[in-house]
Amino acid sequence: GAVVSQHPSRVICKSGTSVKIECRSLDFQATTMFWYRQFPKQSLMLMATSNEGSKATYEQGVEKDKFLINHASLTLSTLTVTSAHPEDSSFYICSAILDTNQPQHFGDGTRLSIL
Amino acid sequence: DQQVKQNSPSLSVQEGRISILNCDYTNSMFDYFLWYKKYPAEGPTFLISISSIKDKNEDGRFTVFLNKSAKHLSLHIVPSQPGDSAVYFCAASMGATNKLIFGTGTLLAVQP
Repeated sequence: GAVVSQHPSRVICKSGTSVKIECRSLDFQATTMFWYRQFPKQSLMLMATSNEGSKATYEQGVEKDKFLINHASLTLSTLTVTSAHPEDSSFYICSAILDTNQPQHFGDGTRLSIL
Repeated sequence: DQQVKQNSPSLSVQEGRISILNCDYTNSMFDYFLWYKKYPAEGPTFLISISSIKDKNEDGRFTVFLNKSAKHLSLHIVPSQPGDSAVYFCAASMGATNKLIFGTGTLLAVQP
């Protein structure tokens, strides 16, 4: 079945560091990938929609200059948290779909901790 | 404004019995609904989905019911197994955007 791989699974770094998270679809070409964030005991909140070959679409309240998304190929999307601060500490999860109205398949997430 | 709500933060069920997880939504434009299962520190795993043109979809032990007039859906798991213990999220999307709006999740504990 479809598999989405996310790397790294955990990052601990100092405030001011930029962190890159990769999301790969392993056995299918994903036309669209999504990036979510989950705070403790809360729901998954969509941050942005990433389409291969075009600019990402950000949800209201998400800073595009803070969370840089690059979808350079049909199997890879990256999220870069620039100049991360402690309030950016969260669980970041990506997902990918093959086609419209197909279920999204999620990666295992990245736990980001900013000291 | 929470468009997708799961009012029960937790549910405890005996092994072998039925688990019923509920979800309500407010946006009548939603036309595709999904249930995901999530373990701590892992991404959600897709379980089952239903289109708004249907009122029931079944896959093995999992059945999802959709009541559009009440804007309510439920997930039935029968028989429940200890391995089903996890957080269950319902999610909804509208049209071709595929953007998922998630509920807040229900922690299911299946007691042996």
